[in-house]
Amino acid sequence: QKEVEQDPGPLSVPEGAIVSLNCTYSNSAFQYFMWYRQYSRKGPELLMYTYSSGNKEDGRFTAQVDKSSKYISLFIRDSQPSDSATYLCATYNSGNTGKLIFGQGTTLQVKP
Amino acid sequence: GAVVSQHPSWVICKSGTSVKIECRSLDFQATTMFWYRQFPKQSLMLMATSNEGSKATYEQGVEKDKFLINHASLTLSTLTVTSAHPEDSSFYICSAPGQGTLKNTDTQYFGPGTRLTVL
Repeated sequence: QKEVEQDPGPLSVPEGAIVSLNCTYSNSAFQYFMWYRQYSRKGPELLMYTYSSGNKEDGRFTAQVDKSSKYISLFIRDSQPSDSATYLCATYNSGNTGKLIFGQGTTLQVKP
Repeated sequence: GAVVSQHPSWVICKSGTSVKIECRSLDFQATTMFWYRQFPKQSLMLMATSNEGSKATYEQGVEKDKFLINHASLTLSTLTVTSAHPEDSSFYICSAPGQGTLKNTDTQYFGPGTRLTVL
């Protein structure tokens, strides 16, 4: 079992739709969770950074962590064609080494 | 946020040659940097942790003699792919903790990546 699981998609939605991206993780010791956005042939860009359970909102983006079910989500409201990218969830391993563990990434296409 | 650059952005080389990729932290110092590789439609796989002033730490299955890492200064880490072969063709990305030193709570900032094609 992978430590972080993410449905690779692709996910296609019309412009303006609400997008829900999800990951599950296996180790209850994970505490910090990130969402990165990666455009084709570019490096990942940090979108959201959360600690423990709860919600965090930044503009059209909301990150949600449910530690009881080991489930993390990213919601995108009023999706735009410019949101078309691969979204990667990530967490730090539990050994305080700074190493990131990534999900496989979900490819999102927002159609105008 | 912190800025990390990579050079070159794209390199094509012949099989058997060596290629050096640079990773720089532009507005902060980083005692630690990380190197990843990414195959098409796949996620990032950590290759090694680059430590300023000491040897790099490689992940299991990564050949340290093939992927040479040198963290020469607080703002520069280099990855050299030695005797490159077509199977080494990939997207190589580096990252650095935003605070420069390794803390579990630090956010990681990524470079734009280097696309290596070995003919």
